Amino acid sequence: KAGVTQTPRYLIKTRGQQVTLSCSPISGHRSVSWYQQTPGQGLQFLFEYFSETQRNKGNFPGRFSGRQFSNSRSEMNVSTLELGDSALYLCASSLAQTTEVAFFGQGTRLTVV
Amino acid sequence: AQSVTQLDSQVPVFEEAPVELRCNYSSSVSVYLFWYVQYPNQGLQLLLKYLSGSTLVKGINGFEAEFNKSQTSFHLRKPSVHISDTAEYFCAVSNQAGTALIFGKGTTLSVSS
Repeated sequence: KAGVTQTPRYLIKTRGQQVTLSCSPISGHRSVSWYQQTPGQGLQFLFEYFSETQRNKGNFPGRFSGRQFSNSRSEMNVSTLELGDSALYLCASSLAQTTEVAFFGQGTRLTVV
Repeated sequence: AQSVTQLDSQVPVFEEAPVELRCNYSSSVSVYLFWYVQYPNQGLQLLLKYLSGSTLVKGINGFEAEFNKSQTSFHLRKPSVHISDTAEYFCAVSNQAGTALIFGKGTTLSVSS
């Protein structure tokens, strides 16, 4: 069974631009969560989508948004990029039952210059 | 609110020695507990999880952890480490198992010969 796939793996953007990251979950998984990893703040939960609806949300500004499609694939968008948005963005999928665990993709490394 | 404290940011150890990575959590509700490992430029790989039942949990690569509710701890142990265990280790807590994970700051395990 294929794992969680994130594209692209690396991305360089300029301040003020917007960016869209993609995540394909493990087949059959209906929940997709996004996390930001930086050296200073560590791993922080952004949001979770389940059945095309945002079910949980972390403490991030509205510039960070996401969506989920009917096939469970998810995209994350960051608008008006700031230097501080440079990070590894990780996607995780799970079956979304209460005892299931999250499986992570390899991440997208975003660099804002 | 939930939080996780990993008590050691770096743990150096010699090959074949035992190791313990410490994790304490705080939560006002029942929690699920996890240990993940991250190798350079990779995503997170699940080592083990505590969802319910036996407080001694065995994971992959010879790791185990013990859930101690009275001390709110979930320390990770391995009786004999290998060079290949060198990585970053993250303890995480959630009340929803597959999502909204709250991570500790991580512990860098460095194994030398």
